[in-house]
Amino acid sequence: EAQVTQNPRYLITVTGKKLTVTCSQNMNHEYMSWYRQDPGLGLRQIYYSMNVEVTDKGDVPEGYKVSRKEKRNFPLILESPSPNQTSLYFCASSFQGSGYGYTFGSGTRLTVV
Amino acid sequence: QQPVQSPQAVILREGEDAVINCSSSKALYSVHWYRQKHGEAPVFLMILLKGGEQKGHEKISASFNEKKQQSSLYLTASQLSYSGTYFCGTARDDKIIFGKGTRLHILP
Repeated sequence: EAQVTQNPRYLITVTGKKLTVTCSQNMNHEYMSWYRQDPGLGLRQIYYSMNVEVTDKGDVPEGYKVSRKEKRNFPLILESPSPNQTSLYFCASSFQGSGYGYTFGSGTRLTVV
Repeated sequence: QQPVQSPQAVILREGEDAVINCSSSKALYSVHWYRQKHGEAPVFLMILLKGGEQKGHEKISASFNEKKQQSSLYLTASQLSYSGTYFCGTARDDKIIFGKGTRLHILP
């Protein structure tokens, strides 16, 4: 089944403890992206990647890192999480950029205390 | 830069029609539409590319006026399954920026 898989689905962590949210797609998509969703703000783009080793900032990149070493994987790294990063995170992929529809993962609900 | 969606929320009875609008202050390459049900991931509905085309998906269709930088989503004869939050995403330079969403609630 074609899908984007995120892990974990739920995560509670403490301020400052590094964490990684994994994202993997099995559709051979070139384009991958991370979004956070907060009430009243909609989906805001954190980072995106056009292809392996090619990444760029979205609208809210502060406090996040990404890497794209393989085409299928696009992990989101929070080096020192803070409470304002408590949010619902979605990974998405598309065949090739913004001219194609996105497939979203199931989401990761992160709570930083 | 975030596109503006209107209305913010709509309540309809089953069988009624709805229109959701999306406007941007910047020139667009394409417009995406997604539906998100509570507790689930957004699901792609359709994409409209430059050219003012209108696309359809079952009883859901959309138009894109690139000169006005606007898109509209039309839901005809709404069904209970249409309930959810609808997001438009406007695309430039391979970045998609989503609006804040329109909540649609269908009553039986």
